[in-house]
Amino acid sequence: NAGVTQTPKFRILKIGQSMTLQCTQDMNHNYMYWYRQDPGMGLKLIYYSVGAGITDKGEVPNGYNVSRSTTEDFPLRLELAAPSQTSVYFCASSQPGLAGTYEQYFGPGTRLTVT
Amino acid sequence: DQQVKQNSPSLSVQEGRISILNCDYTNSMFDYFLWYKKYPAEGPTFLISISSIKDKNEDGRFTVFLNKSAKHLSLHIVPSQPGDSAVYFCAASEADKVIFGPGTSLSVIP
Repeated sequence: NAGVTQTPKFRILKIGQSMTLQCTQDMNHNYMYWYRQDPGMGLKLIYYSVGAGITDKGEVPNGYNVSRSTTEDFPLRLELAAPSQTSVYFCASSQPGLAGTYEQYFGPGTRLTVT
Repeated sequence: DQQVKQNSPSLSVQEGRISILNCDYTNSMFDYFLWYKKYPAEGPTFLISISSIKDKNEDGRFTVFLNKSAKHLSLHIVPSQPGDSAVYFCAASEADKVIFGPGTSLSVIP
């Protein structure tokens, strides 16, 4: 069981470039999330998905897009990268139980720098 | 507008003593609260949680207390160990969204 995997681990982008951050989970979780963590700050929710074909905006969705065509994968797309998108990006998954628990399992993160 | 607040950016505690990390929230619709621990260059890992219908949950050295009327929760670590040194995030869920606080960096001094 690999859990949640993210690729790449590091990336440097030039302003205006685009890229896709990959996230895959092998736990058959229905819920998946993308967060960003800026230096000295907490995690901000970008987008989340409660199942294949369903996505919704979080706190900071501007400048990002997501898709969820399978249960396992939840890629995050950056179009027209800007320096403000320099951050560490974390993907997470969860499977809410009967009690409504939301324990999330996180990937190791992708460190993105936009210059 | 920050819905989940952790007003202490950092905390230092002697090994063996109690660590108390605090968290305040503003949204009364939150129905579940969680604590995560994060080491540098790693993703957060789940520590302990509590439903809004309870006021205490305990797991080994970790206890979470919830005061709904004050919209406040706290994480107690007893006894504190050097390996507990990490950033601790408080998180709260409403329906399918999970919102995190800014974190408190805990240092346990041997």
